[in-house]
Amino acid sequence: QSVLTQPPSASGTPGQRVAISCSGSSSNIGSNTVNWYQQFPGTAPKVLMYSNSQRPSGVPDRFSGSKSGTSASLAISGLQSEDEAHYYCAAWDDSLNGVAFGGGTKVTVL
Amino acid sequence: QLYLQESGPGLVKPSQTLSLTCTVSGGSLTSNSYYWGWVRQPPGRGLDWIGTLYSGATTYYNPSLQSRVTISADTSKNQFSLKLTSVTAADTAVYYCASGFLPFFWGQGTPVIVSS
Repeated sequence: QSVLTQPPSASGTPGQRVAISCSGSSSNIGSNTVNWYQQFPGTAPKVLMYSNSQRPSGVPDRFSGSKSGTSASLAISGLQSEDEAHYYCAAWDDSLNGVAFGGGTKVTVL
Repeated sequence: QLYLQESGPGLVKPSQTLSLTCTVSGGSLTSNSYYWGWVRQPPGRGLDWIGTLYSGATTYYNPSLQSRVTISADTSKNQFSLKLTSVTAADTAVYYCASGFLPFFWGQGTPVIVSS
């Protein structure tokens, strides 16, 4: 059971907007920043968003992140076939005294 | 840009110790601003934080693994390592080394199978 809760799956057609939620608590998302990762099968995760809403260079601006209270969200606008992947959220947890990951969301492009 | 590369045995026998090394290039392990850690991913499952080393001396471990895990640094080689004792089949996973308070730069990962 993951400390952060994500829906196991999300889907959309090309061009649609898809949002993935990440629910936590006051000891993690409520008091620390959130990163989001994208992972394709057989490859290492890649940071997609850091400090809640900051995109590393090279990440398209159709990816956006936000945080409110004890929840965070990753949105993909203008969904493309190459966005089909697993997405994970992560935050430092002050109770765990370590990194908490979400269980991951598989995004499917219909 | 940091580059990280994991190395170590791909097969470990049950009850033995899993030992992996992460070699860092493009940055120094002795930088005060760097956190170094390990994450694993069992087959078909999500990411599982193992532990983090800060400033070469302070360690944070997943409580579920704390009694079996050690993360340490060899600054002369710009490497840090993971040791996990008394492994079982449940420790079979792809092991990633990463840098950052929350992982930012990742190694490519190395698969480890625990089997006799």
